[in-house]
Amino acid sequence: AAGVIQSPRHLIKEKRETATLKCYPIPRHDTVYWYQQGPGQDPQFLISFYEKMQSDKGSIPDRFSAQQFSDYHSELNMSSLELGDSALYFCASSSYRQVEGAYEQYFGPGTRLTVT
Amino acid sequence: DAKTTQPPSMDCAEGRAANLPCNHSTISGNEYVYWYRQIHSQGPQYIIHGLKNNETNEMASLIITEDRKSSTLILPHATLRDTAVYYCIVRVVGGFKTIFGAGTRLFVKA
Repeated sequence: AAGVIQSPRHLIKEKRETATLKCYPIPRHDTVYWYQQGPGQDPQFLISFYEKMQSDKGSIPDRFSAQQFSDYHSELNMSSLELGDSALYFCASSSYRQVEGAYEQYFGPGTRLTVT
Repeated sequence: DAKTTQPPSMDCAEGRAANLPCNHSTISGNEYVYWYRQIHSQGPQYIIHGLKNNETNEMASLIITEDRKSSTLILPHATLRDTAVYYCIVRVVGGFKTIFGAGTRLFVKA
């Protein structure tokens, strides 16, 4: 079965640079989520999109922005990178079209960002 | 933000049932209980969810108390590959924000 695709898998950037992470959801999934997981920490919800509109927002720094495109893929843009941004970034997708309002999220393999 | 409390770690013998508890005493009537697990640094994996009734799928069973203030995830026959961090999450019906708490690190031993 098709899974969530994230690219790149690894990224090394210097402080103050910018980075763009991409997420391709499972086909026919209409919702994407972004999470940040620092070393030894639990995943932290950043932001989500449903049908190309922001649906909820978590602890996403103002330096970060994201969007979902017409083909449902999503990009997380990170500017003025700091050392503390070094982390695993996970994207997840789900299908919101369920009567009961419950839906499981399927996570991608993550992008490991290292800021030096 | 976490609305759940889980023990930090648990051990289980291979082949035995693993019972992972979760306290969600402030859960609302319109909130689901979800369980995910994360093996090493892989993306979290969905296990099961429930609202009021007990649920079972090919991976696990979810037992929710009648007052819905706690639940237990049961892995009926744990294997070494079940060693992971297990997260219990509550989320409002139709909601998007998903808060991962501290989770339980389960060690399955041979």
